[in-house]
Amino acid sequence: GESVGLHLPTLSVQEGDNSIINCAYSNSASDYFIWYKQESGKGPQFIIDIRSNMDKRQGQRVTVLLNKTVKHLSLQIAATQPGDSAVYFCAERAGGYQKVTFGIGTKLQVIP
Amino acid sequence: DVKVTQSSRYLVKRTGEKVFLECVQDMDHENMFWYRQDPGLGLRLIYFSYDVKMKEKGDIPEGYSVSREKKERFSLILESASTNQTSMYLCASSGQTFNTEAFFGQGTRLTVV
Repeated sequence: GESVGLHLPTLSVQEGDNSIINCAYSNSASDYFIWYKQESGKGPQFIIDIRSNMDKRQGQRVTVLLNKTVKHLSLQIAATQPGDSAVYFCAERAGGYQKVTFGIGTKLQVIP
Repeated sequence: DVKVTQSSRYLVKRTGEKVFLECVQDMDHENMFWYRQDPGLGLRLIYFSYDVKMKEKGDIPEGYSVSREKKERFSLILESASTNQTSMYLCASSGQTFNTEAFFGQGTRLTVV
């Protein structure tokens, strides 16, 4: 029969508040990390990336923080808007190889 | 605008059928990928290709094969479809430089009955 997947973590945030989405990665050899946003019915879309020699990178309304000691990545979204509602995936890549491993995703719900 | 195009948005196939999922990119990217996406499991890599006629197994290659005869096209083949291959299939492509994000297609929702 069909396998039952894990329940998708969900984060509910009031419009205008800041959102923090967390991700634990597994491979200590990973040297490049990416956050993707997937809206309903669409493929994932790149948001921001960070190399392992950095601990913070900022984009427009988004900031990615990397803590290699505890293998943790976070995405901060400032002044969250209804259009930010989506599933967010972190992804890691080890070495120069292009193979990317994705996390299970976090669903962000913005409450108007 | 960069584009990764998957040939079908929705497909319904019968158990045992041979199924072809096609993906075309117009960015002259070296790398192409096939993922499947299932609720709560995220995206899992089936196969990828880093050059024409080259392919590498991903994390869940069983029951699938791929073909890359031209740089812009990467096909996923289900030799004999089974119900546990009902899923959303996502194609992606990326360039060869270090900091190169992957661009995704819109996905193909395959149902095997």
